[in-house]
Amino acid sequence: ETGVTQSPTHLIKTRGQQVTLRCSSQSGHNTVSWYQQALGQGPQFIFQYYREEENGRGNFPPRFSGLQFPNYSSELNVNALELDDSALYLCASSFPRGTNTDTQYFGPGTRLTVL
Amino acid sequence: GENVEQHPSTLSVQEGDSAVIKCTYSDSASNYFPWYKQELGKRPQLIIDIRSNVGEKKDQRIAVTLNKTAKHFSLHITETQPEDSAVYFCAASTLRGYSTLTFGKGTMLLVSP
Repeated sequence: ETGVTQSPTHLIKTRGQQVTLRCSSQSGHNTVSWYQQALGQGPQFIFQYYREEENGRGNFPPRFSGLQFPNYSSELNVNALELDDSALYLCASSFPRGTNTDTQYFGPGTRLTVL
Repeated sequence: GENVEQHPSTLSVQEGDSAVIKCTYSDSASNYFPWYKQELGKRPQLIIDIRSNVGEKKDQRIAVTLNKTAKHFSLHITETQPEDSAVYFCAASTLRGYSTLTFGKGTMLLVSP
């Protein structure tokens, strides 16, 4: 059984640019959630994908968008980057519906720096 | 929405002492409470969790207690070791069509040898 993986590990962008982050879910997990973790803070929920559709969203603007693919992997896209978007972006996967769906396992994260 | 408060923000103990971290939550519909350990530069790792139909759960040196009436839950670590040093996050989850975790701000635990 493989764990959650994310790429890239680090990324540096400038204000106004766009970025795509990638996540592969743990084997057997079909739900992927994305979180933003600012320095010294707990992770904050961005959105969740289930069966290739956005299934729930936190308090983030529409320039944060995502995709889920048939193999359950997922992308997080952020447009018009702002300095405050600098953070660790974490992906978490969870079990199929009906079996401890709230237990989430995290990937190593992508550290995004916006200059 | 859910709000999770976590205390203390930092905790320093001597090796072998016990450590207790406390969290409160606001949404009475929350029914799942995991604890994560995050070492510097690493991913959050699930160390223990508890569901709302259980009052206490233990796993070796780690235990979690839940008081649904007071809406608070606590992490207890006994016989602390230097490798327990990390940031610990509590979280609460409400399953309403989808499940999302609301995290506390974290507690930095430092265990001195």
